Amino acid sequence: DGGITQSPKYLFRKEGQNVTLSCEQNLNHDAMYWYRQDPGQGLRLIYYSQIVNDFQKGDIAEGYSVSREKKESFPLTVTSAQKNPTAFYLCASWGAAQETQYFGPGTRLLVL
Amino acid sequence: DAKTTQPNSMESNEEEPVHLPCNHSTISGTDYIHWYRQLPSQGPEYVIHGLTSNVNNRMASLAIAEDRKSSTLILHRATLRDAAVYYCILIQGAQKLVFGQGTRLTINP
Repeated sequence: DGGITQSPKYLFRKEGQNVTLSCEQNLNHDAMYWYRQDPGQGLRLIYYSQIVNDFQKGDIAEGYSVSREKKESFPLTVTSAQKNPTAFYLCASWGAAQETQYFGPGTRLLVL
Repeated sequence: DAKTTQPNSMESNEEEPVHLPCNHSTISGTDYIHWYRQLPSQGPEYVIHGLTSNVNNRMASLAIAEDRKSSTLILHRATLRDAAVYYCILIQGAQKLVFGQGTRLTINP
């Protein structure tokens, strides 16, 4: 089955620690995205990548970093500079043929 | 980014039709109107999209006003599984999407 996988489903971070969230897709999509969602709120864009080895900041990129070394993978690192990292993180890709965005199941990050 | 306006919440009864409105008065000629829905603790799910003409698929129908400044998502016969937050978004290709707060739809049994 084609789709987007995110791991882990739940992730715990200690103060001052960097953590990396995984996002993999086997849909052969060029564009990939990371969103953050806080309780009761809509999605806010962190970073997006329209092609391998290229990515752009979204609206709330501070405290986050990404890489796009392979078409299938777009990992997100939440650095210690992100002071309020507790949120639900969603990865997505864009299907040009279908003209729609596909979302993964999400990772919930909690700070200990 | 062109923005959309939706009611914060709506309520309906099971097996009745639901009409979810969306205003997008600043829409440009190349913006597609997309609808997604999100169940609790899940990623958003694509529902339907259109440009100018009304659209139907197995999940819903999309009615687009003639001036394209508003649209309505129609669930013909709501079930309890349709309870979700519904987002109306304007999209131009593989670009960043701007999600509003959406409409929280409650379905009463």
